[in-house]
Amino acid sequence: DAMVIQNPRYQVTQFGKPVTLSCSQTLNHNVMYWYQQKSSQAPKLLFHYYDKDFNNEADTPDNFQSRRPNTSFCFLDIRSPGLGDAAMYLCATSRDWRASGTSQETQYFGPGTRLLVL
Amino acid sequence: GNSVTQMEGPVTLSEEAFLTINCTYTATGYPSLFWYVQYPGEGLQLLLKATKADDKGSNKGFEATYRKETTSFHLEKGSVQVSDSAVYFCAFHTDKLIFGTGTRLQVFP
Repeated sequence: DAMVIQNPRYQVTQFGKPVTLSCSQTLNHNVMYWYQQKSSQAPKLLFHYYDKDFNNEADTPDNFQSRRPNTSFCFLDIRSPGLGDAAMYLCATSRDWRASGTSQETQYFGPGTRLLVL
Repeated sequence: GNSVTQMEGPVTLSEEAFLTINCTYTATGYPSLFWYVQYPGEGLQLLLKATKADDKGSNKGFEATYRKETTSFHLEKGSVQVSDSAVYFCAFHTDKLIFGTGTRLQVFP
């Protein structure tokens, strides 16, 4: 089945120690998104890629960075995690709706990686 | 600005009860509307969607109708099950997904 895969499902890191979360997809979608979701809140978009074109949300801290080496993979790097960065991180994909119209903008989410910062 | 307003939870129901979760939106134009469901410890799953006025999205017994005149997209199910216990997010798409705050549904046997 085509899907969005996130590994690991749970990640523990230490305060200030860099951590990388991974996302891969078999849907061949050219748009990939990273969201942060804190307890009992809606997901908050951090950034997204149209192919290799990176788009950062204005309020995403500099501590968060991303890499997309190819269509299938996307990484979220947290350079110096603080206690406030403990959250669920969700990866999502979609087709490029800009050219194809409203039928293409459905986002498909992975299961998430829960990050714990000690 | 763009926003989604959902009824606050938790919504607590007995099995086989009727469910309504209200959702209204403020947006420019007529965006596609979505309901996503999040089971405990999981990511979001698309439950249903509607792309234009008067469209009805449906899946797994859930339904929602795109009401342009009231800017609403209320989620309904005729008979809930314990397995429907989850958090439900209403959302619409402009240049990105705009989510509501989520409504937790708890269904008891």
